[in-house]
Amino acid sequence: GNSVTQMEGPVTLSEEAFLTINCTYTATGYPSLFWYVQYPGEGLQLLLKATKADDKGSNKGFEATYRKETTSFHLEKGSVQVSDSAVYFCALIGRGGKLIFGQGTELSVKP
Amino acid sequence: GAVVSQHPSRVICKSGTSVKIECRSLDFQATTMFWYRQFPKKSLMLMATSNEGSKATYEQGVEKDKFLINHASLTLSTLTVTSAHPEDSSFYICSARGTGGAVREKLFFGSGTQLSVL
Repeated sequence: GNSVTQMEGPVTLSEEAFLTINCTYTATGYPSLFWYVQYPGEGLQLLLKATKADDKGSNKGFEATYRKETTSFHLEKGSVQVSDSAVYFCALIGRGGKLIFGQGTELSVKP
Repeated sequence: GAVVSQHPSRVICKSGTSVKIECRSLDFQATTMFWYRQFPKKSLMLMATSNEGSKATYEQGVEKDKFLINHASLTLSTLTVTSAHPEDSSFYICSARGTGGAVREKLFFGSGTQLSVL
């Protein structure tokens, strides 16, 4: 069945460091891929998405490229800020429109 | 923008009691709402899909009689955890899928409910 695997957290970085959070998926066909972010005390928010191979989603300095050959959708940001501290979820929509999440990766950015 | 209000944000209850969690779409209509459960350091697991005016569709392994879902209107779905036990303690999150206009087919999430059963 469909599944999403993320790197385990917590990830702790200093401000302005480069961020990569790995995400790989298993799916039938070509699912749409998403990154959601959950800031402390808030609900999930869509951060970015990609709907087909080689698409690059981007938002707020974050980027992720849909790599069909490696079944990956790694999240990157060139220079993180303290305000980026949150839990990040990789997800896919498979058949039937069900959203399937990875386990989440907590990011903590220190000043 | 579109907002989903989930209430309460935190609830502590005694074992054997029932707890109701509400999920409201505040400024848009949602024919479909989803209920997820999240364990610490685990992914969000879809529990059920709720469609307005019809019975919810539960995922495999989710007890229908324990987790009652009602979707009585286009803006409200409720999850009732009946006869709660400590193993039901978890973080529950709802999401609503927009029905029309600018929010059509977009998903919006509530802020979640932390349930602790003593």
